[in-house]
Amino acid sequence: EAQVTQNPRYLITVTGKKLTVTCSQNMNHEYMSWYRQDPGLGLRQIYYSMNVEVTDKGDVPEGYKVSRKEKRNFPLILESPSPNQTSLYFCASSRGTSGTSSYNEQFFGPGTRLTVL
Amino acid sequence: DQQVKQNSPSLSVQEGRISILNCDYTNSMFDYFLWYKKYPAEGPTFLISISSIKDKNEDGRFTVFLNKSAKHLSLHIVPSQPGDSAVYFCAARSNTGKLIFGQGTTLQVKP
Repeated sequence: EAQVTQNPRYLITVTGKKLTVTCSQNMNHEYMSWYRQDPGLGLRQIYYSMNVEVTDKGDVPEGYKVSRKEKRNFPLILESPSPNQTSLYFCASSRGTSGTSSYNEQFFGPGTRLTVL
Repeated sequence: DQQVKQNSPSLSVQEGRISILNCDYTNSMFDYFLWYKKYPAEGPTFLISISSIKDKNEDGRFTVFLNKSAKHLSLHIVPSQPGDSAVYFCAARSNTGKLIFGQGTTLQVKP
């Protein structure tokens, strides 16, 4: 089954304790992205990756890191989490970002609800 | 600066009636527009899209209309069903290939 998986699904942590949210896709997609969803703000892009070893900042990258060492994995790292990073996080992947809309159809993971105390 | 806006946070419709969800954008360079649907505790799923060279795209009960001069698109659901109750996000593709999402509209379809 084609899917994007994220782990963990729920996480409660404390300020300053480093954490990693994993993301993996089995569709051989080139493009992967992380979003956060906050009330009234919709989905905002944190980081994205056009391919292996190619990553770039989205709209709200502060406080986050990513890596793309393999095509299927795109972990999100919070080196020193703070309460303002409490949010619902989604990883997404797609074939690419140009051409027909099928390239843009992003498949989303189920989400990770993070609470930073 | 919000480039894609969904000004109605919520919408309530009776089953069988039409649901119309609206979305406005500011950047005339967007070339594709997409609608996503999100149920609680799940990730968004792709619903329907439209190229900027078209003004309408239909898929079953779902139709998306694009008015480029007004920088406005809308999603029509006819007839609405209780299972359509969800949060709907519109998204626009920028010239860098990035998707920019609106804030979302929560649709409630009452039986």
